[in-house]
Amino acid sequence: QQQVKQSPQSLIVQKGGISIINCAYENTAFDYFPWYQQFPGKGPALLIAIRPDVSEKKEGRFTISFNKSAKQFSLHIMDSQPGDSATYFCAASDSGTYKYIFGTGTRLKVLA
Amino acid sequence: KAGVTQTPRYLIKTRGQQVTLSCSPISGHRSVSWYQQTPGQGLQFLFEYFSETQRNKGNFPGRFSGRQFSNSRSEMNVSTLELGDSALYLCASSLPSPTGELFFGEGSRLTVL
Repeated sequence: QQQVKQSPQSLIVQKGGISIINCAYENTAFDYFPWYQQFPGKGPALLIAIRPDVSEKKEGRFTISFNKSAKQFSLHIMDSQPGDSATYFCAASDSGTYKYIFGTGTRLKVLA
Repeated sequence: KAGVTQTPRYLIKTRGQQVTLSCSPISGHRSVSWYQQTPGQGLQFLFEYFSETQRNKGNFPGRFSGRQFSNSRSEMNVSTLELGDSALYLCASSLPSPTGELFFGEGSRLTVL
């Protein structure tokens, strides 16, 4: 019940295309859903986050879509660029626990 | 503003040894969390500290322990190392909010031979 399932494991997209990464959770107590981006040799960095009271959040080329009833959320990267090539982690948190449950990561490669 | 600093960045140990990893959080951040990152497993939560108190702990054996000092710096210790402990250990600091953004260090890569 504490798991966050992330797919796909890897993704190759052409420059200018749309990258879509999906996550699903079971624990209905989760109330905060961030996405982290990690480049090789670096620690993850917060990309964008959403709370379950909204169905979508957009920041530049990055959009989170959230489906509370299905317990799913996804990251959409529009106009994908080679500089977006990184590993992306979804996460979920129950704000009373001070811990995050991370997905297993998606390695994105954007071809020039 | 300096980021989260982790030391050492790389270390090699043999089975049965113990290791101590250190983390200096961003100035003003009083919450420090530790995560283990392995290929295919993602990031696994180890523990979280605030004001020298452990507020939550993940599902790791008792060989994994941590502590936080009064200046918010934190250490984690792994005793009786096993091959499976080889991983990148990430420390993250945040403001004292239940859903505060985690600021990660670059990690300490531990190899157990």
